[in-house]
Amino acid sequence: DAGVTQSPTHLIKTRGQHVTLRCSPISGHKSVSWYQQVLGQGPQFIFQYYEKEERGRGNFPDRFSARQFPNYSSELNVNALLLGDSALYLCASSPPVGRGGYTFGSGTRLTVV
Amino acid sequence: GIQVEQSPPDLILQEGANSTLRCNFSDSVNNLQWFHQNPWGQLINLFYIPSGTKQNGRLSATTVATERYSLLYISSSQTTDSGVYFCAVERWAGGTSYGKLTFGQGTILTVHP
Repeated sequence: DAGVTQSPTHLIKTRGQHVTLRCSPISGHKSVSWYQQVLGQGPQFIFQYYEKEERGRGNFPDRFSARQFPNYSSELNVNALLLGDSALYLCASSPPVGRGGYTFGSGTRLTVV
Repeated sequence: GIQVEQSPPDLILQEGANSTLRCNFSDSVNNLQWFHQNPWGQLINLFYIPSGTKQNGRLSATTVATERYSLLYISSSQTTDSGVYFCAVERWAGGTSYGKLTFGQGTILTVHP
């Protein structure tokens, strides 16, 4: 079974640009969550999508948005990039509630210059 | 929100030594997971353990939900065990998961040959 896949693995963008990150969950998982991890800290929750609807949102500005597609894959979009958006962006998928925990992808490392 | 504290923040061991990592959390939780983050950033799920005890090879974990703590035991440590260990918890609302894992700050483990 394929795990959670994310693309691209690395990305360099300039301040003010926008970026789209992609995630495919484990087959059969309908929930996708996004996290941001800056150097030296634990991951911080950004969004959860379930059945194509936003179910949870962390404390991130409106420049961050996401969506989920009918095949349960997801995109994270960040507009007007700031230097502080440089981080590892992690995607996780999860089974139905109570049937296990979250599985994370390898992440996308975004550098904003 | 829930607070998660991990100790110790750093741990240095010789190969073959045993260790215990601790995770304290401030409220009742529905999900608790231990992760190992390797040098490439991949978060690897070690245990999904909202309560009870589990073992997987040289690793074992115990969560005492009523006292709001979890322990991760590493026996006969190897250099490949080096990395950051995270505890993460989730509290549901109304029986529903909103995808929000709250992570501790992690324990940085270094195992020397």
